[in-house]
Amino acid sequence: DADVTQTPRNRITKTGKRIMLECSQTKGHDRMYWYRQDPGLGLQLIYYSFDVKDINKGEISDGYSVSRQAQAKFSLSLESAIPNQTALYFCATSDPTSGSPGELFFGEGSRLTVL
Amino acid sequence: EDQVTQSPEALRLQEGESSSLNCSYTVSGLRGLFWYRQDPGKGPEFLFTLYSAGEEKEKERLKATLTKKESFLHITAPKPEDSATYLCAVQDLTDSWGKLQFGAGTQVVVTP
Repeated sequence: DADVTQTPRNRITKTGKRIMLECSQTKGHDRMYWYRQDPGLGLQLIYYSFDVKDINKGEISDGYSVSRQAQAKFSLSLESAIPNQTALYFCATSDPTSGSPGELFFGEGSRLTVL
Repeated sequence: EDQVTQSPEALRLQEGESSSLNCSYTVSGLRGLFWYRQDPGKGPEFLFTLYSAGEEKEKERLKATLTKKESFLHITAPKPEDSATYLCAVQDLTDSWGKLQFGAGTQVVVTP
């Protein structure tokens, strides 16, 4: 099983619908992140969390919200999806106490299409 | 504002044909520069961290180098399994939370 699991892997929805993308990890890392990837653009940080009580906005948080239900679970919600939120979404974890602080462990991604 | 620019956008190589990928960056201060590999339909996978100018890291056919303004990823005698998108990212010195600024990547295709 993957260390960082994202569900669903693919989702097609309509404008205005509420969508939740879920992420769970078995690595025991405190830090979790949500990134968005668009063709021709770099990964952009949406939200990050360093523990259950600490959640922070990234560079493109507008239109998104998150919930850290437990150390191992971090969910991303789109309250009212719009077509320009069509993208590939990645969850990632890190452990700053070991190895490189910039070493992120990514899930396999959730491809979201908003019609 | 931190910026990361990768070139070329795409690179097509014959098996055995060595080449280099470029990552130029602008940061107020560099805490670290990171290279990742991303296969189609997968999440990025960490390759290297470089911390200071002059540093080099190697892994199989890949070698990453760092100067004060750019990093190079050299692919020596590539094989088809080296085909992937290679991402560069930087962490600003003022950041201790693991927030990375990513480039758009270089897509590498190695043909037999």
